[in-house]
Amino acid sequence: AQKITQTQPGMFVQEKEAVTLDCTYDTSDQSYGLFWYKQPSSGEMIFLIYQGSYDEQNATEGRYSLNFQKARKSANLVISASQLGDSAMYFCAMSGGYSTLTFGKGTMLLVSP
Amino acid sequence: GAGVSQSPSNKVTEKGKDVELRCDPISGHTALYWYRQSLGQGLEFLIYFQGNSAPDKSGLPSDRFSAERTGGSVSTLTIQRTQQEDSAVYLCASSLNGQGAVKNIQYFGAGTRLSVL
Repeated sequence: AQKITQTQPGMFVQEKEAVTLDCTYDTSDQSYGLFWYKQPSSGEMIFLIYQGSYDEQNATEGRYSLNFQKARKSANLVISASQLGDSAMYFCAMSGGYSTLTFGKGTMLLVSP
Repeated sequence: GAGVSQSPSNKVTEKGKDVELRCDPISGHTALYWYRQSLGQGLEFLIYFQGNSAPDKSGLPSDRFSAERTGGSVSTLTIQRTQQEDSAVYLCASSLNGQGAVKNIQYFGAGTRLSVL
């Protein structure tokens, strides 16, 4: 069975600062994918970034980067230069047998001016 | 539209009634997923379709829940004899490929908020 743990229920950051959202995972699979999604108050889940278990480089997508530490089973999301529009719920997830996703409980990020 | 479309966006029903939730995936996406998001349980997988078949139904919580997909496109999730604990947001996602694909980026709709009174 796969498990995702997000230990930060809420995070606060000031605009233009960087913030790290924590995610640890557990799986017995050798090949797996790790994902981050953003869910604003409108409810839609927005895909942010993907990291494959065999990828040697950490994934980056614009202001988002994924700090992948395989030995520690962690896949933290780093958002650089936070913006007010980054305020949302953030979910870490991993792919399973039929590529279904197992999600963590989420972290609510609030960006203040 | 280009994204995953779900209807209705909100549904209020009385306990014991049946409801149907619809999902229109991104054109060309062969895989389709239903998830449920509730306050107490977080995001839970319900069912996965590859084409019109459902190789993984392991997340359906009871036999009151069923889903079908026709023409490899639109999917309908049906909840019979709704109960108050069925109140949640039901999210649909689609992806280009499914089974066996580790890099399986799923694109979500805005969800249907179901309230059972």
